[in-house]
Amino acid sequence: KAGVTQTPRYLIKTRGQQVTLSCSPISGHRSVSWYQQTPGQGLQFLFEYFSETQRNKGNFPGRFSGRQFSNSRSEMNVSTLELGDSALYLCASSLGGAVRETQYFGPGTRLLVL
Amino acid sequence: AQSVTQLGSHVSVSEGALVLLRCNYSSSVPPYLFWYVQYPNQGLQLLLKYTTGATLVKGINGFEAEFKKSETSFHLTKPSAHMSDAAEYFCAVSSDSGNTPLVFGKGTRLSVIA
Repeated sequence: KAGVTQTPRYLIKTRGQQVTLSCSPISGHRSVSWYQQTPGQGLQFLFEYFSETQRNKGNFPGRFSGRQFSNSRSEMNVSTLELGDSALYLCASSLGGAVRETQYFGPGTRLLVL
Repeated sequence: AQSVTQLGSHVSVSEGALVLLRCNYSSSVPPYLFWYVQYPNQGLQLLLKYTTGATLVKGINGFEAEFKKSETSFHLTKPSAHMSDAAEYFCAVSSDSGNTPLVFGKGTRLSVIA
């Protein structure tokens, strides 16, 4: 079974631009979560989607948004990029989204904002 | 609010020596506890998890962890380190209360010396 895939793997943007990252979960998984990983803050939860609905949201500004499609694929968007948005963005999928379930992580998208 | 503290941002051991990575958590409700490993330029991979039942949990690659409620700890151990164990290790906590998403520790980088 194919794992979680994320595209693109690397991205360079400039301040003020917007960016869209994509995540394809493991086949059959309906929950997709997004995390931001930085050296200073570590891994921080962004949001979780289940059956096209946002079920949970972390403490990030409204510039960070996401959505999930009927095939469970998910996208996250960051508008008006800031230097501090440079990070590794990780997507994780699980079967039903219960917190005790194992989350399977993709390789991440590394975003550099100049 | 839940939190995780990983003692030691960097641990160095000799090949064949015991690996001990420390994790303490804070949770007012029964926690679910996880250990993930991250190799360079990759996403996170689950090593093991505790949800309910037996407090000694065995994971992949010879790792195990013991849930100690009285000490609020979930330390990760491996009897004999291998060069391939060099990676970053993350402890995480969640709970059913409010469908709390994963809260990660800052991570511990493990180096294995030949």
